[in-house]
Amino acid sequence: DVKVTQSSRYLVKRTGEKVFLECVQDMDHENMFWYRQDPGLGLRLIYFSYDVKMKEKGDIPEGYSVSREKKERFSLILESASTNQTSMYLCASSYREIIFGPGTRLTVL
Amino acid sequence: QQQVKQSPQSLIVQKGGISIINCAYENTAFDYFPWYQQFPGKGPALLIAIRPDVSEKKEGRFTISFNKSAKQFSLHIMDSQPGDSATYFCAANAGGTSYGKLTFGQGTILTVHP
Repeated sequence: DVKVTQSSRYLVKRTGEKVFLECVQDMDHENMFWYRQDPGLGLRLIYFSYDVKMKEKGDIPEGYSVSREKKERFSLILESASTNQTSMYLCASSYREIIFGPGTRLTVL
Repeated sequence: QQQVKQSPQSLIVQKGGISIINCAYENTAFDYFPWYQQFPGKGPALLIAIRPDVSEKKEGRFTISFNKSAKQFSLHIMDSQPGDSATYFCAANAGGTSYGKLTFGQGTILTVHP
């Protein structure tokens, strides 16, 4: 069964902390994505990557960065977490269709 | 700026009824329109998708209707079941691919009462 896994289901961090969200896919997909999901706003694209070491900004990249050193792994980094980054973060990868991971619910206090 | 607008925000339907969720888009470059279903604690999963060369696509109890001139598309769930209770997202993609970056609607929470 193909999978996109995210390192944590729930995470609580303090304002100003550096936060790493890890995502791994086992499908040898070229494309990987990070979305955040908020009630009433749907899913919004933060960053995506079409290849190793390649990244492109999505619709809401401010306050975030990403890293893709290996094909199977795509990391989202919050350089200095703020309360308005409290959200559900969804990683996805794609070849013929986009497959989502289960999400990480991040709370920033 | 929300490029895909989805309504209603929430929907309550009796078992056996028809659930209808609507989406409207602005970007005429969009040419792939999927619907995703999300259960609590899970990521969204592809339910059904349509391209603008057809006006309707049906898979089991799920049908997408597409109106290119109005820039609208909708999901119809026939004979709705309690197991259909979930959050539904419409989405759109430019470039005709099923695997590129998607722009999502706001989501609809569907509750089907037994």
